[in-house]
Amino acid sequence: GNSVTQMEGPVTLSEEAFLTINCTYTATGYPSLFWYVQYPGEGLQLLLKATKADDKGSNKGFEATYRKETTSFHLEKGSVQVSDSAVYFCALAGTASKLTFGTGTRLQVTL
Amino acid sequence: KAGVTQTPRYLIKTRGQQVTLSCSPISGHRSVSWYQQTPGQGLQFLFEYFSETQRNKGNFPGRFSGRQFSNSRSEMNVSTLELGDSALYLCASSAPRTGELFFGEGSRLTVL
Repeated sequence: GNSVTQMEGPVTLSEEAFLTINCTYTATGYPSLFWYVQYPGEGLQLLLKATKADDKGSNKGFEATYRKETTSFHLEKGSVQVSDSAVYFCALAGTASKLTFGTGTRLQVTL
Repeated sequence: KAGVTQTPRYLIKTRGQQVTLSCSPISGHRSVSWYQQTPGQGLQFLFEYFSETQRNKGNFPGRFSGRQFSNSRSEMNVSTLELGDSALYLCASSAPRTGELFFGEGSRLTVL
C-alpha cells in the first residue's frame, strides 16, 4: 500500500536559516504529492503540491520538487521566520479524497 | 467564502458513550472526507462521502460511521467510545475541479 516517511522532529532553527524537511514515499503509479502545514490549534492548510514527476510546487517561499527517481518530495525554504513554526505534513493522494500522510515534522524557529 | 465548519470544537465523553460530529463543507463542495489525528497514529483516513454515498473507507472498526445529507453536510458517529478514540477529528471538503482538500479546524474528542 501507499506510505509516506518523513524525517523525525522537532527541527529547531534560528530565524533566517535554511530549512529542509525530508519526505519519501512508496506508492503505485505516480500520485500527486502535497505538503500541508498545521499551526497550533488549527486544522491543516495546503502549503504546496505537485501532480507529476519533476513538477516543483512553491508557496510563501517554500518549495518542493517531485523526484520520481528517488521517490522524494523534500520541503525547502531559504530563510525561515518565527511565523513558520508549525507542524509540516507530507502526503500523497490515493483514490478519491484519500490522502496518506507522513507522521509530521514539528518546526520551531527561534530569534 | 466561508471555510469548512466543524462542530463541536471540543467535547468530553466517557467510555461506552457515543458521539456525533458535524461538518459543513465549503459551498459547492460535494465531497467530504474525515480523518482522525492522534499523537500515536498520526493522521488516518476514516471515510469519504460524495453525493450522500460513501465512496471510500479507511481501516477503522464498524463503531465509526458517517453519513452525508443532500446539502453536502456530513456527520460522523462513534459508538461505544473507547479511551483510544480520543483524538482530533478533521473534516475536509474537496474542490470540484481541482480535488484540493480544504480542512476544518477539527473536533477534539476526549474520552475519559
